Amino acid sequence: DAKTTQPNSMESNEEEPVHLPCNHSTISGTDYIHWYRQLPSQGPEYVIHGLTSNVNNRMASLAIAEDRKSSTLILHRATLRDAAVYYCILRDWRYGNKLVFGAGTILRVKS
Amino acid sequence: DTAVSQTPKYLVTQMGNDKSIKCEQNLGHDTMYWYKQDSKKFLKIMFSYNNKELIINETVPNRFSPKSPDKAHLNLHINSLELGDSAVYFCASSQGTLTNTGELFFGEGSRLTVL
Repeated sequence: DAKTTQPNSMESNEEEPVHLPCNHSTISGTDYIHWYRQLPSQGPEYVIHGLTSNVNNRMASLAIAEDRKSSTLILHRATLRDAAVYYCILRDWRYGNKLVFGAGTILRVKS
Repeated sequence: DTAVSQTPKYLVTQMGNDKSIKCEQNLGHDTMYWYKQDSKKFLKIMFSYNNKELIINETVPNRFSPKSPDKAHLNLHINSLELGDSAVYFCASSQGTLTNTGELFFGEGSRLTVL
């Protein structure tokens, strides 16, 4: 499984944008980039995913570098409810449904 | 109405006992999973079933036996519980392969404590 590298933790102020980086220098052409988050005492929750192009949805935006060796999850206005562990995951579409979670980034949001 | 529900939420038991965790999804999905999150917070996939057929079976002791009576249910039975089995177990589901939507729906977890 290709690896991702994320900062252990980040801090943000409420109402400000947050950029969560992820490095995946060994990404292959068949890897999708997935982001999940896990709020305290809850199960993981899907945030967004993409392959090559930038993606937007109601929760966040995903910016993918042109060489695909890194990506950034963007929360446009952080709220206290966004405090969670954010996981950047590579999934090889050839191997179906297997998501391999790493350590993730703990995001703290200050009011 | 909870999409992926697990019971029980908490389970405290003695070493050597046998226990089961049940999972049900009302999303109409055809693929279900079990993940384990240990004390270091790493989430690891254990099993995946598609339409009641086992499609992913990671290196899990054979004391763990998943059972899928129908595509809406995936139960996890654990025999001869050990201290190292203490963890939070998450059930999840998806519609078809993740290539379509990329989205797994997780339950709230079942915290198992083995004494």
